[in-house]
Amino acid sequence: DAGITQSPRYKITETGRQVTLMCHQTWSHSYMFWYRQDLGHGLRLIYYSAAADITDKGEVPDGYVVSRSKTENFPLTLESATRSQTSVYFCASSDAGLAPLLFGPGTRLTVL
Amino acid sequence: SQQGEEDPQALSIQEGENATMNCSYKTSINNLQWYRQNSGRGLVHLILIRSNEREKHSGRLRVTLDTSKKSSSLLITASRAADTASYFCATDLGGQNFVFGPGTRLSVLP
Repeated sequence: DAGITQSPRYKITETGRQVTLMCHQTWSHSYMFWYRQDLGHGLRLIYYSAAADITDKGEVPDGYVVSRSKTENFPLTLESATRSQTSVYFCASSDAGLAPLLFGPGTRLTVL
Repeated sequence: SQQGEEDPQALSIQEGENATMNCSYKTSINNLQWYRQNSGRGLVHLILIRSNEREKHSGRLRVTLDTSKKSSSLLITASRAADTASYFCATDLGGQNFVFGPGTRLSVLP
């Protein structure tokens, strides 16, 4: 199916563990983004990528790592999860120019 | 405070009434977009207004942009229960750099 998918949809982990959130899009969009959504903060950009092998930091990158070896995939890794990383994570993609962001359904992550 | 901030934080209206939400921002923008988020779902794009536009319509949605005041408003006319959601403005600072506000929670009561 065309669109943007995220997996897992729900994840519970423990402090200190490594967690990888997956994002896959089928539109061949050049841009991909990772946001986290917390009450009172709206969406905050973690990392984004303009193309394969090009990534850049957003507003809140600390504690996260991304890679983009293929255009369609943009995994987000929490190398050593902390409780403050409990959040809902959204992946999005877009074309360049005046293109809207197209969001995935989100991953709800709980770090105990 | 944030680049984009919606006002009010929460809004409750009756079905059939109009709902107006405002967004203020701080720096120059390329365009401004409005998104809707239903509970537990991802955001959905509603409308984009460029920095050189003043008003735009899409169905029951009307968006205005005042770059001199660095503000935008989203009007939903003849609201329906299905319009119950959170609404976010996103300012495009250029280079696909989007900054979202904290959102307005709209409740439309039947």
